[in-house]
Amino acid sequence: DAGVTQSPTHLIKTRGQHVTLRCSPISGHKSVSWYQQVLGQGPQFIFQYYEKEERGRGNFPDRFSARQFPNYSSELNVNALLLGDSALYLCASSLRPSGELFFGEGSRLTVL
Amino acid sequence: DAKTTQPTSMDCAEGRAANLPCNHSTISGNEYVYWYRQIHSQGPQYIIHGLKNNETNEMASLIITEDRKSSTLILPHATLRDTAVYYCIVISLSGNTGKLIFGQGTTLQVKP
Repeated sequence: DAGVTQSPTHLIKTRGQHVTLRCSPISGHKSVSWYQQVLGQGPQFIFQYYEKEERGRGNFPDRFSARQFPNYSSELNVNALLLGDSALYLCASSLRPSGELFFGEGSRLTVL
Repeated sequence: DAKTTQPTSMDCAEGRAANLPCNHSTISGNEYVYWYRQIHSQGPQYIIHGLKNNETNEMASLIITEDRKSSTLILPHATLRDTAVYYCIVISLSGNTGKLIFGQGTTLQVKP
């Protein structure tokens, strides 16, 4: 069975650019969550989507947005990139909004 | 969600049991204890969770004290591949938005 897949795995952007990260959940999972992990820290919650609706949002600026598609895949968009946005972006899926999450390997974003 | 406290780091000899403690003195009656681990450069991996009874699965055992203010994750026969950061997280499943609050976790180093 395929796990949570994320793309791209690595990318480099410059300040002010925007980025789109993609996530495909485990088949049958309807909930997708996004986390940001800065080097040396634990993951921080950004968004959760369930059945294509936003169910939760962390303490991140409006530059961060996300959406979930009818096939339950998801995109995370970050506009006007700052150096501090450099991080590992993790996507997790689950059957329901709560319960154990299954994480992908992440997309490592470097902002120069 | 209740706050958790974990030791920053621990060592364990290969083949011995690794006992990772977690304090959650403000846990509420409807909050569960979840454990995840993150091996270097990978996404977090779900290990086990429990409410008040001890739990065991193929990966680990979870011992929760009677007053539920602390718990211990036990890896019965640690291997070098168990070297990782272990996160103890307390969450309520009712109305949960999929938001997990990761602290700094415990860095477990399994040594030959």
